[in-house]
Amino acid sequence: QAVLTQPASLSASPGASASLTCTLRSGINVGTYRIYWYQQKAGSPPHYLLRYKSDSDKQQGSGVPSRFSGSKDASANAGILLISGLQSEDEADYYCMIWHSSAWVFGGGTKLTVL
Amino acid sequence: EVQLVESGGGLVQPGGSLRLSCAASGITFSSYWWSWVRQAPGKGLEWVANMKQGGSETNYVDSVKGRFTISRDNAKNSLYLQMNSLRAEDAAVYYCAFSYNSDSSAPTDWGQGTLVTVSS
Repeated sequence: QAVLTQPASLSASPGASASLTCTLRSGINVGTYRIYWYQQKAGSPPHYLLRYKSDSDKQQGSGVPSRFSGSKDASANAGILLISGLQSEDEADYYCMIWHSSAWVFGGGTKLTVL
Repeated sequence: EVQLVESGGGLVQPGGSLRLSCAASGITFSSYWWSWVRQAPGKGLEWVANMKQGGSETNYVDSVKGRFTISRDNAKNSLYLQMNSLRAEDAAVYYCAFSYNSDSSAPTDWGQGTLVTVSS
């Protein structure tokens, strides 16, 4: 079982909100991790969006709009990237990442389609 | 303006070697954790290795341990990845990246990448 699991795809309408989940493998407690989120548009390198551990330990990436935010769902053992007020330019692949067992581990990524 | 320029990618036969370079400008190179991250064609991101500011600490993903070596030359503002015993599954775009955070080595700024193809 992968350390981080993300849904392969998600579709949402312009102006709506999208909630992208990153589920940690059973036995790895989401509460103890900073979860990092990246956006990657086609043909471009990844772009750092934010990190979230708690409301007192979070960081917005440089220049990243506030409509991108992070949270956690402890009951689901998952990190969440919430994108509000979806725009067509938000269409991209989104990756979560944690530091686990002395290595950075990425989730498989979610392809967000805005239509 | 921060610029990261990777080079050294290309076509190599299985079992061969390649050395990737990443030239940085617009930043104090020596102040940051640096990483290599790769992405196979049509696939997701995979972190490969990182190195602490002074080079005293390095980490590698299990699949490259013993084959790849990350290094840096602070005087030349450059990061390197020596890749030996290359396999087909090492074929990917390789990105160099650094962390502007002092409390984390998580990559925040990325180069454009260099393509490595492993094929006979």
